[in-house]
Amino acid sequence: EVQLVESGGGLVQPGGSLRLSCAASGFTFSSYWMHWVRQAPGKGLVWVSRINSDGSSRSYADSVKGRFTISRDNAKNTLYLQINSLRAEDTAVYYCVRNGGSWSLEYWGQGTLVTVSS
Amino acid sequence: QSALTQPASVSGSPGQSITISCTGTSSDVGGSSYVSWYQQHPGKAPKLMIYEVSNRPSGVSNRFSGSKSGNTASLTISGLQAEDEADYYCSSYTSSSTWVFGGGTKVTVL
Repeated sequence: EVQLVESGGGLVQPGGSLRLSCAASGFTFSSYWMHWVRQAPGKGLVWVSRINSDGSSRSYADSVKGRFTISRDNAKNTLYLQINSLRAEDTAVYYCVRNGGSWSLEYWGQGTLVTVSS
Repeated sequence: QSALTQPASVSGSPGQSITISCTGTSSDVGGSSYVSWYQQHPGKAPKLMIYEVSNRPSGVSNRFSGSKSGNTASLTISGLQAEDEADYYCSSYTSSSTWVFGGGTKVTVL
């Protein structure tokens, strides 16, 4: 069974930093592209970033480019998202997602909540 | 990277069919075979319902179907059931090698 478990969320002050983690199990992690998707409270889904299977290629939404960094450790079956210069508008649940066939977002974790507030 | 356009809400009675539209541009929906749809119940993670415009993952009811014409994709739910009440999001892979979601549609079963 595919499992994706996010951690690292919490309350952080504006301008602060946070590193989110996603522990993957139940599949060969090193074979799959992975994504982060976020959802602000009461709002819709927003794609944030993706990384290819060996970590050599990454892409980002314009809204986070330069502040967010996606990475992975295939030896530890773990995906990361480093978030810097946090703003109030970054407050959201952040989902770790496994890429599926045909560029679909196939398996989703339960999410971790990041709250940016002073 | 503008969000795809979906109606805010759609409703129908049990047993009826409803259709949710998802309008983008030639850089995403219109130029991509990789349109997918997701269902999200309150407080839950999204679930993939349709991929590659019209394909259903294993385990998804055949009451859900997808199609595309030009820059607009559509999700049809036939034989509407109470359990179908949820938020639905479309998504497209784009020409910039990124992904974009629609704003979401709340489906209400009357």
